[in-house]
Amino acid sequence: NAGVTQTPKFRILKIGQSMTLQCTQDMNHNYMYWYRQDPGMGLKLIYYSVGAGITDKGEVPNGYNVSRSTTEDFPLRLELAAPSQTSVYFCASSLTPTSSGGTQYFGPGTRLLVL
Amino acid sequence: DQQVKQNSPSLSVQEGRISILNCDYTNSMFDYFLWYKKYPAEGPTFLISISSIKDKNEDGRFTVFLNKSAKHLSLHIVPSQPGDSAVYFCAATPRGGANNLFFGTGTRLTVIP
Repeated sequence: NAGVTQTPKFRILKIGQSMTLQCTQDMNHNYMYWYRQDPGMGLKLIYYSVGAGITDKGEVPNGYNVSRSTTEDFPLRLELAAPSQTSVYFCASSLTPTSSGGTQYFGPGTRLLVL
Repeated sequence: DQQVKQNSPSLSVQEGRISILNCDYTNSMFDYFLWYKKYPAEGPTFLISISSIKDKNEDGRFTVFLNKSAKHLSLHIVPSQPGDSAVYFCAATPRGGANNLFFGTGTRLTVIP
């Protein structure tokens, strides 16, 4: 049982490049989330999904896209990388909604540097 | 606009003593509160939570207190151990089924042996 896995661990992008951050969970959780954490700040929700085929925006969705074709995978797409997207990205999953007491389980994070 | 605030960026405590980490929030719609612990190069891990219908929740060495009128919660760790050294994040979520989890900026706890 690996929990939540994220790839890559670290990536350097040039301005304007695109990339996909991968996230996979093996706990059969319906709910999945993407957060970013900037230095000295708390985590901010980018997008979330309540099940395969259903996604919704979080607090800071601009510049990102997501898809959820399977229960296990929730990739995050950056289309035109900008320096403001330099951050650490965390994926999480939960069995039930957080507002109903569901615990979110986090992956180890992807550190992204945009130059 | 930071809806969850942790005003102490760092805290140092001697091993065996009590650690008290504080958190304030501004949104009266917050209904459920959580503490996460984070080690370097790892994702946050859930520590303890409390619903707004309670004012205290205890789990072993960890106790969370909620003061709704003051919009304040605190995490007590007794006794503190060197392995507790980490960054602690307070988080809150509003009632109504929303899945937004709002995080504070974190407090770095150092437990000195």
